[in-house]
Amino acid sequence: QQQVKQSPQSLIVQKGGISIINCAYENTAFDYFPWYQQFPGKGPALLIAIRPDVSEKKEGRFTISFNKSAKQFSLHIMDSQPGDSATYFCAASMVGGGADGLTFGKGTHLIIQP
Amino acid sequence: DAGVTQSPTHLIKTRGQQVTLRCSPKSGHDTVSWYQQALGQGPQFIFQYYEEEERQRGNFPDRFSGHQFPNYSSELNVNALLLGDSALYLCASSLGQGYSGNTIYFGEGSWLTVV
Repeated sequence: QQQVKQSPQSLIVQKGGISIINCAYENTAFDYFPWYQQFPGKGPALLIAIRPDVSEKKEGRFTISFNKSAKQFSLHIMDSQPGDSATYFCAASMVGGGADGLTFGKGTHLIIQP
Repeated sequence: DAGVTQSPTHLIKTRGQQVTLRCSPKSGHDTVSWYQQALGQGPQFIFQYYEEEERQRGNFPDRFSGHQFPNYSSELNVNALLLGDSALYLCASSLGQGYSGNTIYFGEGSWLTVV
């Protein structure tokens, strides 16, 4: 059972454009939603994370939008650059000893065209 | 400040063999988790160690076992290897058990190929 569904599977955006990746979750006990960036041959690196008590969090060019009622959250990358080309994973977990660690989506392969 | 370090980086094993992967957490971290990432997939949680005990476990068979040492480093052991065990094995460290608000740092992983 896939508890976090991520879309699209792949995305091509022109340099300077906005990249948008969406995730939906099923388990209402999730209350921590991070996004990870992974380059080929590397481990995932935390980009930005949000808790459900806020609807939006912005860090530099990266913004998470969170819709608790719809059980959806998304990552927006503003002014996308070729260096942003990577695989992005959304994830979810529970505070206080969630049984499953981080539950990841299947990833989005993002290509920024110069 | 060293981040999460894993060894070996690549290894090839034969079906039925056993493998041990090693992880040193980021300085100051006391919790280690292990994840399996198949090609083209997101990481899947295997288990978490805190205070030298397995605290949480994902949906993985008993062939997967681990250990945490007093210095917080950890090992992942996989017995009776199957072809389907071929994957990138990621170690992640954090401070404190069970509080997901702390940043979780990943190592670069160990690539396991089973032939």
